Amino acid sequence: GNSVTQMEGPVTLSEEAFLTINCTYTATGYPSLFWYVQYPGEGLQLLLKATKADDKGSNKGFEATYRKETTSFHLEKGSVQVSDSAVYFCALSSDSGGSNYKLTFGKGTLLTVNP
Amino acid sequence: DAGITQSPRHKVTETGTPVTLRCHQTENHRYMYWYRQDPGHGLRLIHYSYGVKDTDKGEVSDGYSVSRSKTEDFLLTLESATSSQTSVYFCAIGQVPRTDTQYFGPGTRLTVL
Repeated sequence: GNSVTQMEGPVTLSEEAFLTINCTYTATGYPSLFWYVQYPGEGLQLLLKATKADDKGSNKGFEATYRKETTSFHLEKGSVQVSDSAVYFCALSSDSGGSNYKLTFGKGTLLTVNP
Repeated sequence: DAGITQSPRHKVTETGTPVTLRCHQTENHRYMYWYRQDPGHGLRLIHYSYGVKDTDKGEVSDGYSVSRSKTEDFLLTLESATSSQTSVYFCAIGQVPRTDTQYFGPGTRLTVL
């Protein structure tokens, strides 16, 4: 079956540090890959996505590249801010038939950025 | 932000009581989902709906039922709540042609004593 493995947290960084959160996946076919972010007390928000190999998703300074050869989708940001403190979830989609795509999530990585 | 609301936002109940959580959307999206979020497990799909009166099970459906009588409302029912169902519950919506970009509600924190 499909699965997503992301680095365990928590991750604590100082403001302006470089961020990497590793994500690898196991899937059949050609899934789309996602990063969702959850700020304290809120629901998940889509941060970025990539739908095919070598695609790069980007948003708000975050980037992730779909690497089929290493089955990875690592999240990076060059200079984090205190406002980036949140839980980050890697996810993949699988086609369940028709138009229904199910998401499989990693366990989440808590990021805390200190001023 | 997608127009998704969940009610109640917080609930404390006792073991053995029935509980119904409501998800309401104003986006007219065809697909709706219920997830639960637990530490160390990420999000896990409970049930989903692909249209009015059309529902199917997710990976952790035991002990839960759902109903969708209108496009905008998706109800999750715990027939007899247990302590293992203490969790944060999220509703999400998705639209064809691809439903993998899902939009999430704010969540309901349920505590079963």
